[in-house]
Amino acid sequence: GNSVTQMEGPVTLSEEAFLTINCTYTATGYPSLFWYVQYPGEGLQLLLKATKADDKGSNKGFEATYRKETTSFHLEKGSVQVSDSAVYFCALTRVTGGGNKLTFGTGTQLKVEL
Amino acid sequence: DAEITQSPRHKITETGRQVTLACHQTWNHNNMFWYRQDLGHGLRLIHYSYGVHDTNKGEVSDGYSVSRSNTEDLPLTLESAASSQTSVYFCASSGFPLGNEQFFGPGTRLTVL
Repeated sequence: GNSVTQMEGPVTLSEEAFLTINCTYTATGYPSLFWYVQYPGEGLQLLLKATKADDKGSNKGFEATYRKETTSFHLEKGSVQVSDSAVYFCALTRVTGGGNKLTFGTGTQLKVEL
Repeated sequence: DAEITQSPRHKITETGRQVTLACHQTWNHNNMFWYRQDLGHGLRLIHYSYGVHDTNKGEVSDGYSVSRSNTEDLPLTLESAASSQTSVYFCASSGFPLGNEQFFGPGTRLTVL
């Protein structure tokens, strides 16, 4: 079946540091890949996505590239801010039947300090 | 603006009681989903629906049920609440034109004593 593996958290960084959160997946065929972000006390919001191999998703300074050869979708940001403190979830979906289901990783908490 | 709402936001109940969590979306999406979020597990799918009168079991469906009588609502019922069902519950929806992007509600924190 489908699965997503993320690096354990929490990850603690100083403001303006470089961020990498690793994500690898197992799936048959060609899934779409997502990063969702959850700010404290809120639901999940889509951060970025990629739908095919070598696609790069980007948003708010975050980037992730769909690497089929390594089955990875690592999240990166060149300079993090305190406001980026949140939990980040990697996820994949395969269209089945009339809709889609998401498979999530366990989430990685990011704490950014001044 | 279209949105997805959940109620109540917080609920405390006792073991054995029936509890219903509401989810309402104004996106006119066909697909709706219920997840629970627990530390160390991420989000796990409870039930989902691809349209009116359609319901399907997810990976952790035991003790939960849903019904879909219209496009906008997918209530989640805990038939007889157990302490193991203490969790944060999220509803999500997806559909045309952004077919595979799911939009999430703000969550319901349920405590079963």
